[in-house]
Amino acid sequence: DAGITQSPRHKVTETGTPVTLRCHQTENHRYMYWYRQDPGHGLRLIHYSYGVKDTDKGEVSDGYSVSRSKTEDFLLTLESATSSQTSVYFCAISGGGGGANVLTFGAGSRLTVL
Amino acid sequence: GIQVEQSPPDLILQEGANSTLRCNFSDSVNNLQWFHQNPWGQLINLFYIPSGTKQNGRLSATTVATERYSLLYISSSQTTDSGVYFCAVVIWKTSYDKVIFGPGTSLSVIP
Repeated sequence: DAGITQSPRHKVTETGTPVTLRCHQTENHRYMYWYRQDPGHGLRLIHYSYGVKDTDKGEVSDGYSVSRSKTEDFLLTLESATSSQTSVYFCAISGGGGGANVLTFGAGSRLTVL
Repeated sequence: GIQVEQSPPDLILQEGANSTLRCNFSDSVNNLQWFHQNPWGQLINLFYIPSGTKQNGRLSATTVATERYSLLYISSSQTTDSGVYFCAVVIWKTSYDKVIFGPGTSLSVIP
């Protein structure tokens, strides 16, 4: 997947437990994104990063936090998972704003919160 | 905000048939991408096409930015073309590229 690895690919957890999803890229792209995909809602942006330690909220950021301590890694954390956070999570990367950037997705992480 | 519409929402094709998928958007955009989500859930880039026409094998895409639409052509369809096709419009912001996805066209190619 063009140098993007998501882990874990599948996770089942219980309500109230913390969960961290990892996105690792080898493309040295500046921009990284976390999306969630749900039936009837399509792809929705949770958080994005425009550089190391530079992150901001997307349209559905409540209940999620992110961190980016290195260019290659972007972590998505659910501090206390809820059943409404059961979803497929996609990480994406792009080279930078304003240019001929291509948004490229990872393989996805399927999270089930019981 | 910008609205992105896709048509048709669902499409069933016999293997070997051709099809055209359409993406309409309500305002000016900086760029547009087409993605294919296969039955295993992977989102695959097909085209990055702000304007003009591009071709890749049996697939081609045309974007007419001034008229705010893009078309994806699939010729001689194969069962492996099944899945959901998304168009996504891109708006350049100061700190990131805002991407707005259409609802998708679900394609089933039957043998």
